[in-house]
Amino acid sequence: QSVVTQPPSVSGAPGQRVTISCTGSSSNIGAGYDVHWYQQLPGTAPKLLIYDNSNRPSGVPDRFSGSKSGTSASLAITGLQAEDEADYYCQSYDISLTAWVFGGGTKLTVL
Amino acid sequence: QLQLQESGPGLVKPSETLSLTCSVSGGSLSSRTNYWGWIRQPPGKGLEWIGTIYYSGSTYYNPSLKSRVTISVDTSKSQFSLKLSSVSATDTAVYYCARLLKDGSSDGWFDPWGQGTLVTVSS
Repeated sequence: QSVVTQPPSVSGAPGQRVTISCTGSSSNIGAGYDVHWYQQLPGTAPKLLIYDNSNRPSGVPDRFSGSKSGTSASLAITGLQAEDEADYYCQSYDISLTAWVFGGGTKLTVL
Repeated sequence: QLQLQESGPGLVKPSETLSLTCSVSGGSLSSRTNYWGWIRQPPGKGLEWIGTIYYSGSTYYNPSLKSRVTISVDTSKSQFSLKLSSVSATDTAVYYCARLLKDGSSDGWFDPWGQGTLVTVSS
């Protein structure tokens, strides 16, 4: 059971916008620790998608965006494409556990 | 371009010690902002942080695994290693090594990742 929670699954049709939430607490996201997002395509290693809440690494399309407010963060994907079908994970730091923590992951299905 | 590659046995017997090495190329193990981590993913499940090491040797472990984990670094070989003792079937997972990049006030993000190596615990 992760200390940061994500919905197990989300879905959307091509071209639509979807959001994935990442809910934490006062010992991690709410304590001011940054949130980072990863995309894991089937059978591959996770890849950094968003760092420090809202920054995109070079090469990540601007269809992907991140935000953070209070004890939660969100990943938004606009103009959904078939190739976006993957598992998405948020990550932060928890001061109570003194540990880097991952959300449980969200499976995105493109209908 | 920084690249990481895991290596080690793919099969470990219950109660024995799992040992993996991560080889780093294309960058310095000793860079100030670079920490080095191990993350695992049981089949069909999510990601679990195992531990992190700095080139100086400072280590940070997941409290749930701390009693069984040892991470070490060999800067001369550009490698860092994971040892997990007293393994059981629940330790079966894909094990990833990754750089933890700590930039300024951020507690860091993992990038890049190695391709991962499946370790199965079975007799």
